[in-house]
Amino acid sequence: AQTVTQSQPEMSVQEAETVTLSCTYDTSENNYYLFWYKQPPSRQMILVIRQEAYKQQNATENRFSVNFQKAAKSFSLKISDSQLGDTAMYFCAFMKQSQGQNFVFGPGTRLSVLP
Amino acid sequence: DSGVTQTPKHLITATGQRVTLRCSPRSGDLSVYWYQQSLDQGLQFLIQYYNGEERAKGNILERFSAQQFPDLHSELNLSSLELGDSALYFCASSVPSGGKQFFGPGTRLTVL
Repeated sequence: AQTVTQSQPEMSVQEAETVTLSCTYDTSENNYYLFWYKQPPSRQMILVIRQEAYKQQNATENRFSVNFQKAAKSFSLKISDSQLGDTAMYFCAFMKQSQGQNFVFGPGTRLSVLP
Repeated sequence: DSGVTQTPKHLITATGQRVTLRCSPRSGDLSVYWYQQSLDQGLQFLIQYYNGEERAKGNILERFSAQQFPDLHSELNLSSLELGDSALYFCASSVPSGGKQFFGPGTRLTVL
């Protein structure tokens, strides 16, 4: 079974600064996807970024980028130029690329962006 | 707005009762997933349907069941409710490939 670990329960960052959230996972699969989802106080789950395991190039979406290290089974999220609206719970998620595409979520990291 | 709709937004009921949560996926999405998020917890995968058929099962209790109808909307039925079933229940939908799941706003269930 796959597991996802986020070792930082809470983090804070000053507005406009850069912060990195950590995620590690355990799997015997070779083909899979990794995701970061954001859950602001509204509790809506919002897709931040997706990485396909077969791609070596790290995914980027505007101020959000990942550092994907397949051999180390590590998938960190970097948020640049942090904004107050980035305050949220961030969940790392794993999904194998096969039938039955259910997500395995990590426990989450609560990020506070301070003015 | 993700395009996934869930009703009702809030539900308050008593222990022992039965409730039905409804989800309409994004237009064109064939897969529907159900998740449970207890207070300050991560999301637990419950069950997935693809084009009307059960595709994957997670930590879903026997008191819970789901189905996906021909118009692709899905219902999650929770019976013999217990206090511990109080949670936020999310539905998500996705296209057949690519992995991206789009989440609805959730249904907050409170069992008193």
